[in-house]
Amino acid sequence: DTAVSQTPKYLVTQMGNDKSIKCEQNLGHDTMYWYKQDSKKFLKIMFSYNNKELIINETVPNRFSPKSPDKAHLNLHINSLELGDSAVYFCASSHRRDRNTIYFGEGSWLTVV
Amino acid sequence: GDSVTQMEGPVTLSEEAFLTINCTYTATGYPSLFWYVQYPGEGLQLLLKATKADDKGSNKGFEATYRKETTSFHLEKGSVQVSDSAVYFCALRTDTGRRALTFGSGTRLQVQP
Repeated sequence: DTAVSQTPKYLVTQMGNDKSIKCEQNLGHDTMYWYKQDSKKFLKIMFSYNNKELIINETVPNRFSPKSPDKAHLNLHINSLELGDSAVYFCASSHRRDRNTIYFGEGSWLTVV
Repeated sequence: GDSVTQMEGPVTLSEEAFLTINCTYTATGYPSLFWYVQYPGEGLQLLLKATKADDKGSNKGFEATYRKETTSFHLEKGSVQVSDSAVYFCALRTDTGRRALTFGSGTRLQVQP
């Protein structure tokens, strides 16, 4: 069973569209994250939620909005997509008992054309 | 703020060669240190970690020792294989501040037969 699953894995869309990437974890973790990996492979934290509450919100355009309907889900909505949004987006999760064990999803490859 | 510096790649080695990928860090507080690996077209996998000074993390023949005095966490392997070709990321996490992983820029390793 996949611990952290993201959908879709690949997404190609036009500029100006609105899209969502979904993430679910079945590990019983209480903290979830979104990371962005750019074309140069650089990884950076975007958001973190703990028990459905936002605890990290890095300098990300407000076109990006995370939504956590429950502890097991953290979805990423992106409005008015731009070419520069093309990247790989990784969801991850951890538990307060062991914050050093962080599980990543397989990534969602977003291409904006 | 926290930061991780890795040697730039790509690193190209012949099979069975010795591997070292350098990693140094700057952190406020006492970080835990990690190496993640990303195989082509795949997500991030935790390779090894160390949570306190002088700890050695090891997995699949890879090792790294937490050196507080030199703020380093260099990755080593005695004999690389073609299947080790991937991008390797050094990362840290502290229990203060953002508490999310801070990644280095990644080092691509190419192992030739």
